[in-house]
Amino acid sequence: ETGVTQTPRHLVMGMTNKKSLKCEQHLGHNAMYWYKQSAKKPLELMFVYNFKEQTENNSVPSRFSPECPNSSHLFLHLHTLQPEDSALYLCASSQGDLRGLTYEQYFGPGTRLTVT
Amino acid sequence: TQLLEQSPQFLSIQEGENLTVYCNSSSVFSSLQWYRQEPGEGPVLLVTVVTGGEVKKLKRLTFQFGDARKDSSLHITAAQPGDTGLYLCAGARREYGGSQGNLIFGKGTKLSVKP
Repeated sequence: ETGVTQTPRHLVMGMTNKKSLKCEQHLGHNAMYWYKQSAKKPLELMFVYNFKEQTENNSVPSRFSPECPNSSHLFLHLHTLQPEDSALYLCASSQGDLRGLTYEQYFGPGTRLTVT
Repeated sequence: TQLLEQSPQFLSIQEGENLTVYCNSSSVFSSLQWYRQEPGEGPVLLVTVVTGGEVKKLKRLTFQFGDARKDSSLHITAAQPGDTGLYLCAGARREYGGSQGNLIFGKGTKLSVKP
């Protein structure tokens, strides 16, 4: 138990569906992250929120839409996904820093997403 | 561009054997982290190394950061089936301008320890 929870753990959705992934951290951190993990590829950083402000968007398609209502919660809204979006989506949190330094990240268990 | 190369990609050994996995880059990192990930779970942080030449031990695991802070190694002594998993290294680079989240991950080494 790392203090970062994700729901759901598994999700199967059609290409026309709309769904949301949820992440919650209980570590008192101020930075939260979404990563995508596909087979044979390194972890891909998608979005970063630092003190609730989005500070990174690594050229992620607009069919992925993040939301960070407070420093403990992070959502990833999904709509009109493609089969190649099937992957493990990981949330992480870390100590935030307004100077932009990178600290140790703590990951949730992930959501295994399958797009049919 | 793959900034962090991990080797070997796959490693299958018998219980009790020793092993070393490597994480190499041409870039300098301000720190480097090692994670272990089990199937269906997220990566779990094992250690962070910060200083060039630093060595850290975690029970049977020994982590070393290269003098130039471009590479790292993880050595496991007397491996056990519970060590099975994907070992990931991630380098942190201090970016000017306040950009957070600059962890660069390698593809990982998949270790299997057979009883």
